[in-house]
Amino acid sequence: DGGITQSPKYLFRKEGQNVTLSCEQNLNHDAMYWYRQDPGQGLRLIYYSQIVNDFQKGDIAEGYSVSREKKESFPLTVTSAQKNPTAFYLCASNYRVGRDTQYFGPGTRLTVL
Amino acid sequence: EDQVTQSPEALRLQEGESSSLNCSYTVSGLRGLFWYRQDPGKGPEFLFTLYSAGEEKEKERLKATLTKKESFLHITAPKPEDSATYLCAVQVTGDRDDKIIFGKGTRLHILP
Repeated sequence: DGGITQSPKYLFRKEGQNVTLSCEQNLNHDAMYWYRQDPGQGLRLIYYSQIVNDFQKGDIAEGYSVSREKKESFPLTVTSAQKNPTAFYLCASNYRVGRDTQYFGPGTRLTVL
Repeated sequence: EDQVTQSPEALRLQEGESSSLNCSYTVSGLRGLFWYRQDPGKGPEFLFTLYSAGEEKEKERLKATLTKKESFLHITAPKPEDSATYLCAVQVTGDRDDKIIFGKGTRLHILP
């Protein structure tokens, strides 16, 4: 089955720690995205990547970092510099940035203790 | 500034009671509009893409329509399993890359 997987489903972090969220897709999509979703707010774009070894900041990139070493993988690191990291994180992918339907993974809920 | 507004924020209907959800947008250079369904604690599930005014798409009890300023998601004779948050997103031209802007969603609750 083709799709997008995210792990872990739930993640707990102590203040001051960095954590990395995994996102893998086997849809042969070139573009991948990370969004943050908070209650009562729309999805907000953190980072996106069109090709391997290239990525761009979205609207709320501060306190986050990404890498794109493989086409299939786009991990997101939430650093200690992110002041309010508790949220639901969604990974998405499509063939070309901004050009066609995005498909989403199941999400990771991050809670800072 | 590009903006997407969904209304109402929440809607409670009796089973079988048809209604419509609205997605209005003020954007420059609309390239497409997307509807998604999202269940609690899960990722959004793609429903429809609309590209031009007058276009309509249907899937089971759902029908999406598009005008130059808004889109409607019509729900006919809904069932409790249609309860979810429905998200609207628009694809617009950007400075470097096209971008997708999401509305805040409409929480739909169908009562049995």
